[in-house]
This record gives sequence, structure tokens and C-alpha cells, in this order.
Amino acid sequence: NAGVMQNPRHLVRRRGQEARLRCSPMKGHSHVYWYRQLPEEGLKFMVYLQKENIIDESGMPKERFSAEFPKEGPSILRIQQVVRGDSAAYFCASSELRHEQYFGPGTRLTVT
Amino acid sequence: AQTVTQSQPEMSVQEAETVTLSCTYDTSESDYYLFWYKQPPSRQMILVIRQEAYKQQNATENRFSVNFQKAAKSFSLKISDSQLGDAAMYFCAYRSPNTGNQFYFGTGTSLTVIP
Repeated sequence: NAGVMQNPRHLVRRRGQEARLRCSPMKGHSHVYWYRQLPEEGLKFMVYLQKENIIDESGMPKERFSAEFPKEGPSILRIQQVVRGDSAAYFCASSELRHEQYFGPGTRLTVT
Repeated sequence: AQTVTQSQPEMSVQEAETVTLSCTYDTSESDYYLFWYKQPPSRQMILVIRQEAYKQQNATENRFSVNFQKAAKSFSLKISDSQLGDAAMYFCAYRSPNTGNQFYFGTGTSLTVIP
């Protein structure tokens, strides 16, 4: 059973471009969480999704950030018009409800 | 929102010795889970140990054990017989099924193991 997969592992974008981060949950998991880790900090919750639904987006910045988890395919975290402050590691975790969460290896986004 | 505090940004330990990493948290929930995660330079989040709040017995996993003090809202990690491979960032985390099940992480403790 493959673990949580994230791609790309490293992403470099220029200011103003769009970044798309993908997360494929573990097989059979229908719950996905996205976290952001700024340099020298712990992970901070961004958004919690189930298939086709956003359950909790209380940690998402109000502008430029969006997330989806379609019926088919990976979950996508989209950042429009990236700025230098978006440079961070982005982790997703997947689970079945109330069960253990498993983290992916993260995507390191660098904005130049 | 729940808060998790790790007051030791950096710690060091001699190889084969014991070290304790501190963590406190703030919550009004009675049903929750506490975790310690290890993050090596690869940045992969590795689960070290977990504790259910309703269990009085402290969790142990080989050389890793916790001291869970529910009334004091304290959750420290003890690493015995430290090994060079234990060097990493360690994050304390809280999770509650009553608050969306997402993790709340502390700011981390960087552990150095001295040969």
C-alpha cells in the first residue's frame, strides 16, 4: 500500500506565477489535510477536505489560495500570483475519519 | 484555538545519554490525542509516539517514552540511549476529533546528538 504521495517535491516559481501542488492520499483514504511549514516554524493547518467537499478552510489565507479534492484524482492546492512569503514546505496528510493521519513527504516551494 | 508550546528551541545530548523534550498545550477538550513527530533534514514527518488523553498510562515505544500530565497539560518526550540518528527537529502536536481532527503543532525543538 503506497503511502501519501506529493508532487512535485520541489517547485520554483517566479513572483506572480501560479503554483499547483498535488497530493495523492493513501489508497482508501477520503480525507485530506494541507499544512504549511514556514522556515524555522512548525506545521500550520490550512484546509481539510473530503472528496468533493471543503470541510474546514479556517487556516487558508483569504486570497490567492484555493484547494480541491475531486471525485477522481489527487487533491490540489493552488496558489495564484505567488509572492516571496509563500516560500515554504507544504505537507498533506490523509486519513479515514477519526483514524490516524499519514503525512506525505512535502513539497518545497521557492518563490524567486 | 488550541495552542502547543515547546519552550526549548534547541537541545543537545551526548550519545547514549538520556534527554527530555518539553511540551505544554492549552485546551478545554477532554477527548484528544497528543503526538511527537520527528523531522530529519529530509523533512519527512515521522511519527515517534502518540498518547490518548483518556489513557493514564504513559506511552512507550522502544527508547522513546512520554510523561503525560493531563491536569498540568504537559506532554514531555524522553529519549533514552540517544543515537546519532535521533538528531532531528522534534514537534509536539495535538489533535482532537471535536475540532476538525487537524493537528496543532508546536514550533519544534532541534535535537543535536554529540558523538
